[in-house]
Amino acid sequence: EAQVTQNPRYLITVTGKKLTVTCSQNMNHEYMSWYRQDPGLGLRQIYYSMNVEVTDKGDVPEGYKVSRKEKRNFPLILESPSPNQTSLYFCASSTGGRNYGYTFGSGTRLTVV
Amino acid sequence: RKEVEQDPGPFNVPEGATVAFNCTYSNSASQSFFWYRQDCRKEPKLLMSVYSSGNEDGRFTAQLNRASQYISLLIRDSKLSDSATYLCVVKITRSSSARQLTFGSGTQLTVLP
Repeated sequence: EAQVTQNPRYLITVTGKKLTVTCSQNMNHEYMSWYRQDPGLGLRQIYYSMNVEVTDKGDVPEGYKVSRKEKRNFPLILESPSPNQTSLYFCASSTGGRNYGYTFGSGTRLTVV
Repeated sequence: RKEVEQDPGPFNVPEGATVAFNCTYSNSASQSFFWYRQDCRKEPKLLMSVYSSGNEDGRFTAQLNRASQYISLLIRDSKLSDSATYLCVVKITRSSSARQLTFGSGTQLTVLP
């Protein structure tokens, strides 16, 4: 089954403790992206990657890092999480073509206390 | 001004009603347009692409007016299962040639029995 898999689904952590949210897709998509979703603000892009070893900042990259060492994986790293990073996070992938939308993972609900 | 604006609703309609959602976008370089559906606390899922000629998928009709930078979604004979948040989405090519999806904040629909 074609899908984007994120882990974990839920995570509660403390301020400053490094964490990684994993994302993997099995569709051989070149384009991958991370979004966060907050009430009233909608989905905002954090980082995206156009291909292996090619990543760039989205609209809200501060406090996040990403890497794209393999085509299928695009982990999101929070080196020192803070409470304002409490959010619902989605990973998405696409072929990158103009008329193609994204396939989203099931989401990771992160709480930083 | 937000790049993609939607009426947040909520829209509460009886079963069988016809309901219309509107969306405006500010970037005239926008290339592709989509409607996504998001159920509570779940990932967004592609509902349909939107083309200048207008397109229909069963009870759903989407239209695009590039001159007015306006997108619409019409749902006929609404069902209880149509209750969700509907996201207007625009794809824009950035200077790096990356195509980025920009999301509206969503319009909440509740179909009542």
